[in-house]
Amino acid sequence: DVKVTQSSRYLVKRTGEKVFLECVQDMDHENMFWYRQDPGLGLRLIYFSYDVKMKEKGDIPEGYSVSREKKERFSLILESASTNQTSMYLCASSPLPGLAGPLLNEQFFGPGTRLTVL
Amino acid sequence: AQTVTQSQPEMSVQEAETVTLSCTYDTSESDYYLFWYKQPPSRQMILVIRQEAYKQQNATENRFSVNFQKAAKSFSLKISDSQLGDAAMYFCAYRSADNNNDMRFGAGTRLTVKP
Repeated sequence: DVKVTQSSRYLVKRTGEKVFLECVQDMDHENMFWYRQDPGLGLRLIYFSYDVKMKEKGDIPEGYSVSREKKERFSLILESASTNQTSMYLCASSPLPGLAGPLLNEQFFGPGTRLTVL
Repeated sequence: AQTVTQSQPEMSVQEAETVTLSCTYDTSESDYYLFWYKQPPSRQMILVIRQEAYKQQNATENRFSVNFQKAAKSFSLKISDSQLGDAAMYFCAYRSADNNNDMRFGAGTRLTVKP
């Protein structure tokens, strides 16, 4: 089974703090993603990475940065947390397209981190 | 940019009955993939069913099936013989065949199953 884990299920931080959210996948997937999930808005892509040290901005990258030093680990960083970053954060991974089999095109999600910024 | 619309924020179904969740999408592409994901309360999001746009046959996975209407850009999910464990948030998602990293999600439909 594909496993995507996130370092915390719940996190409470104060405005201005630097926050690290960690994600690890064990299936050797090339692609990894960070989303935020808000009621009525679904999932919105913050950043994704298609290889070690490679990253691309998603739809809402402002206020966030990412780091991918190892293939299995993708970190989301809030440089200076603000109250409007209170949200559920979901990490996902997927293999490269062109790979045959039932995993084709699917994204596998972690359990999520519910972040509250006070 | 592609958009995905789920017009039903909440749905309710009686146990053992059938329910249909709606999803429409907007795209100018001819080749793409569509997905339904399920997010149970406080649990991990998992894939329920997928559909390749080039396939005319509707996908089916046990009690879950889709009604894919390409011309109408509609992709509804039918859950038959609903069970208490089907209670969850359901997200419809679109992914371009040309861009592996661009998956668009709808706002979600919260399904309640009544015993």
